[in-house]
Amino acid sequence: AQSVTQLGSHVSVSEGALVLLRCNYSSSVPPYLFWYVQYPNQGLQLLLKYTTGATLVKGINGFEAEFKKSETSFHLTKPSAHMSDAAEYFCAVIVPDTGRRALTFGSGTRLQVQP
Amino acid sequence: KAGVTQTPRYLIKTRGQQVTLSCSPISGHRSVSWYQQTPGQGLQFLFEYFSETQRNKGNFPGRFSGRQFSNSRSEMNVSTLELGDSALYLCASSSGAGAPTYEQYFGPGTRLTVT
Repeated sequence: AQSVTQLGSHVSVSEGALVLLRCNYSSSVPPYLFWYVQYPNQGLQLLLKYTTGATLVKGINGFEAEFKKSETSFHLTKPSAHMSDAAEYFCAVIVPDTGRRALTFGSGTRLQVQP
Repeated sequence: KAGVTQTPRYLIKTRGQQVTLSCSPISGHRSVSWYQQTPGQGLQFLFEYFSETQRNKGNFPGRFSGRQFSNSRSEMNVSTLELGDSALYLCASSSGAGAPTYEQYFGPGTRLTVT
């Protein structure tokens, strides 16, 4: 079975600083990986995904993530934080071609952006 | 395209009652998944429906059930509500067939409070 670990339940950065949210996964076969963002009282919005091909993937709102198979990681980054980035971020994994279409989520990281 | 819609957005029920939540997927999407989000357990998969059939099921008691209609709209039902069922219930839709990307698009959720 696959699992996701997000290091740091809370991350605080200053506006304009680099954002780095960590995600490590465990899977016996190469998974597909996703980052979602959740704003208060809202559902989840897909930021970006990795399936196959280029390991550096770009998403919405200036976010990007790099799939590193050797490190089983899929960390989310943004060069310059904006106040509107304050939200909770979830890393998720799914194993393709197994017939099972359930996303397995990490526990989430709450990002605070200080002015 | 309209996004995933869920009704109602907020619900207050009493222990022992039952509740039905509704989800309308993105037009053309045939797969609907349900997730429960709580502060303690995080995001957990309930079940997935595709073409009116339950295709995947999570580890929840039989009090949690669902169905999907021919227009892909889905409902989930929780019978004999317990205090621990208080949660945000999220519905997600995906294309579900063909060359799947496994991307899931989430609705705003239904906030259920059990008193």
